[in-house]
Amino acid sequence: GDSVTQMEGPVTLSEEAFLTINCTYTATGYPSLFWYVQYPGEGLQLLLKATKADDKGSNKGFEATYRKETTSFHLEKGSVQVSDSAVYFCALIAGDNFNKFYFGSGTKLNVKP
Amino acid sequence: ETGVTQSPTHLIKTRGQQVTLRCSSQSGHNTVSWYQQALGQGPQFIFQYYREEENGRGNFPPRFSGLQFPNYSSELNVNALELDDSALYLCASSLPPSYEQYFGPGTRLTVT
Repeated sequence: GDSVTQMEGPVTLSEEAFLTINCTYTATGYPSLFWYVQYPGEGLQLLLKATKADDKGSNKGFEATYRKETTSFHLEKGSVQVSDSAVYFCALIAGDNFNKFYFGSGTKLNVKP
Repeated sequence: ETGVTQSPTHLIKTRGQQVTLRCSSQSGHNTVSWYQQALGQGPQFIFQYYREEENGRGNFPPRFSGLQFPNYSSELNVNALELDDSALYLCASSLPPSYEQYFGPGTRLTVT
């Protein structure tokens, strides 16, 4: 069945370090892919998305490229800030009518000054 | 623009009881999805409602049921509560053809 697998955390980085959070997926058809973020004490919010192969989603300095050949959607940022500390979730939407959603288990990022 | 709201914020129930959770979608959104998020885990998709009908369902038993009303608000009902039903229940709205989920703050359900 459809699923999302993302790297386990927590990930601890120093400010200005390079970030990669790995995400791979299993899905039939052509899913849309998302990264959601949950900051401390806040609700889930969309960070970026990609709807077809080779699309690159980007927002707030974060990027992720939809790689169909490797079924991956890794999240990257060139220089993290303390304010990026949060839990990041990879997700996909699939199904005949794009009516089923799958989230990864989340990766907690801690950025130290 | 009004965001997604959920009620109540917290709820404590006893095993075997029934519970109803409520959600108001973001203004203009006609599709509502419900998720269960256990502590330290990602959200698990329960089901989606579109035009007052269930449009998709995850791997949850029939004792999880829902409704969507003409104003697009929605309810999640859980019968015969079990201890494992203790979780944060999230509601999200969207407007096809965009499938971006806009999440509410959630209802924390504790089953004792």
